[in-house]
Order: sequence, then C-alpha cells, then structure tokens
Amino acid sequence: QQPVQSPQAVILREGEDAVINCSSSKALYSVHWYRQKHGEAPVFLMILLKGGEQKGHDKISASFNEKKQQSSLYLTASQLSYSGTYFCGTDNDETGSSNTGKLIFGQGTTLQVKP
Amino acid sequence: GAVVSQHPSWVICKSGTSVKIECRSLDFQATTMFWYRQFPKQSLMLMATSNEGSKATYEQGVEKDKFLINHASLTLSTLTVTSAHPEDSSFYICSVGDISYEQYFGPGTRLTVT
Repeated sequence: QQPVQSPQAVILREGEDAVINCSSSKALYSVHWYRQKHGEAPVFLMILLKGGEQKGHDKISASFNEKKQQSSLYLTASQLSYSGTYFCGTDNDETGSSNTGKLIFGQGTTLQVKP
Repeated sequence: GAVVSQHPSWVICKSGTSVKIECRSLDFQATTMFWYRQFPKQSLMLMATSNEGSKATYEQGVEKDKFLINHASLTLSTLTVTSAHPEDSSFYICSVGDISYEQYFGPGTRLTVT
C-alpha cells in the first residue's frame, strides 16, 4: 500500500530541472509532498486534492492524475536549497469521499544539488 | 498552516524506563493529531491517530500498550513510550492538519534508548 517513488536518487547541478514521481496502487483522495533535510522534520510543500489538480509556487509545482493514481513533483531551475529527501504522502480514503489525514509515505527520493 | 511544537527535542533514557513526548498545536485547535516514527534513512511510518477526548487508534503492528497516547485537550497530545528498549530508538514526529487538509509536522523528538 506504500506509494512508490521514482527515482530513488537524483544528482543535479544548480539550474537544472528534476521530476519526482509518486505512484499508488490504491485510489487516492489526496497527495501531499514534503521535503526533509538531514536531522530535521519534513516540511510541507503542497497538497493536491482529488479532481486532478495542478499546483505550483515559485519554481516547484506538482500534478495529480487521479485516474492513473499518480502524482509528479517538478523542480525547475534547482537551487542548492532544494537538496534533501522528498516524500510523497497519500491519503487513501476507502470511500474516496474525504481526507482521513492519515498519510502513507513513499520511500523517499534523495535530491542533491551541486554548485 | 498549523504551527506545531514538540517537547523534548531529544531524549536519552535507559532501557526499561518510560518516556513522554508532547505535541502541541500552537495556533489551531486540533481534534485529531497523528504520530509517526522514522528510523534512520527510512520513510515515515504512521503509528497512531490521536483523538481528542477519546481513545487513540493504532495502525496494524503498533503495540497500544507500549505506545500510550493521550489527547486531553484540543492543543495537546502526548505519546508515552513505556518500558523503552534500544529498538524503540527512533525519530518520533507528530502532525496536525488544518482546515485545508494540509498536514504540518512538529520538529520531532529524537529518542535514544541505552
């Protein structure tokens, strides 16, 4: 039931783009994206709700394909501060009608941005 | 978004003792909070849902008698690790959801059992 993230790790140069994918075998109500730096708690990036959303702020955006049960996180013109481990968390409400708040996280994608 | 605090930030205890971790929602009244555990280089695993004024609900495989959860008010949930053992050493993090369904994590508590 754990969503699958790909790739497992990415190494970029500053200014390059990256895409992180999150795929679930269960129907999703929402997908949540977080970034975690070493030794710290995860920081909320964005949530995408059922209905096939796309969302973005600054140079980080995401999409949610409800039918494919997939979400992708897009990082454009990456900065050194983007380094960290990215997690998607899925809310798999059995009825598909509302969020439960209980997130099941993928295994994480480690992103390293080099100067 | 919700602002969440945890106390303590880190704790070292001896095997067999109990440790209490507090999670506070500073700007949002939370009827529900969530507790996660994260082992080094692993993902976050949901342990339990803390419900204000009622019993917590635990995920499969989590011992409810070992991980006692109390949610006595709309701003405070506590997790007590009873009779801690070295294998309980982990990073414990709570989360609070706001009205937009966004889930915000506290800074976490690093537990080391010697």
